[in-house]
Amino acid sequence: ETGVTQSPTHLIKTRGQQVTLRCSSQSGHNTVSWYQQALGQGPQFIFQYYREEENGRGNFPPRFSGLQFPNYSSELNVNALELDDSALYLCASSGGQGATYGYTFGSGTRLTVV
Amino acid sequence: KQEVTQIPAALSVPEGENLVLNCSFTDSAIYNLQWFRQDPGKGLTSLLLIQSSQREQTSGRLNASLDKSSGRSTLYIAASQPGDSATYLCAVMGMEYGNKLVFGAGTILRVKS
Repeated sequence: ETGVTQSPTHLIKTRGQQVTLRCSSQSGHNTVSWYQQALGQGPQFIFQYYREEENGRGNFPPRFSGLQFPNYSSELNVNALELDDSALYLCASSGGQGATYGYTFGSGTRLTVV
Repeated sequence: KQEVTQIPAALSVPEGENLVLNCSFTDSAIYNLQWFRQDPGKGLTSLLLIQSSQREQTSGRLNASLDKSSGRSTLYIAASQPGDSATYLCAVMGMEYGNKLVFGAGTILRVKS
């Protein structure tokens, strides 16, 4: 069984640009969550998708948006990038909504905004 | 609002030592608690998942306990090895705030050979 895969692994963007990060969930998982991890901190919840619908959102502005596709893969889009958006972005998947089996995380995308 | 605290923030021990990492949370209404390991610049690797009805879970040299009523969990690592060096994160999934995980800031562990 394949795990959670994220792409790209690293990218550098300029302030004001837009970025799309991608995540393929673990086989059989229908729930995908996105987290932002700043250096030296724990991950912060951005939002979750369950069966293609947004199913909870953290304290992030609307310029953070997402999608989940019928195969349960997901995208995170960030518009009007700011320097503070520089972070490790983590995708996690789960069967159901995580209460029973917990979450499996990908290796992350390191975003640097200059 | 759920808050998760991990103590100590950093720990350095000689190889072979047994050690305990602590995690506390403010809201005891949780579904589960999960311990993760994170190597520098990498993603999270799940170590142990404890459901709210459970008291402990074990995997190899790792043992995690959960005392929901007091809002505490410990991760015990036996016979530590240099390969155990990493950041250890605990996260709780609560009932009040949906399906998100709330993380502590982590404990940075260094095991010296």
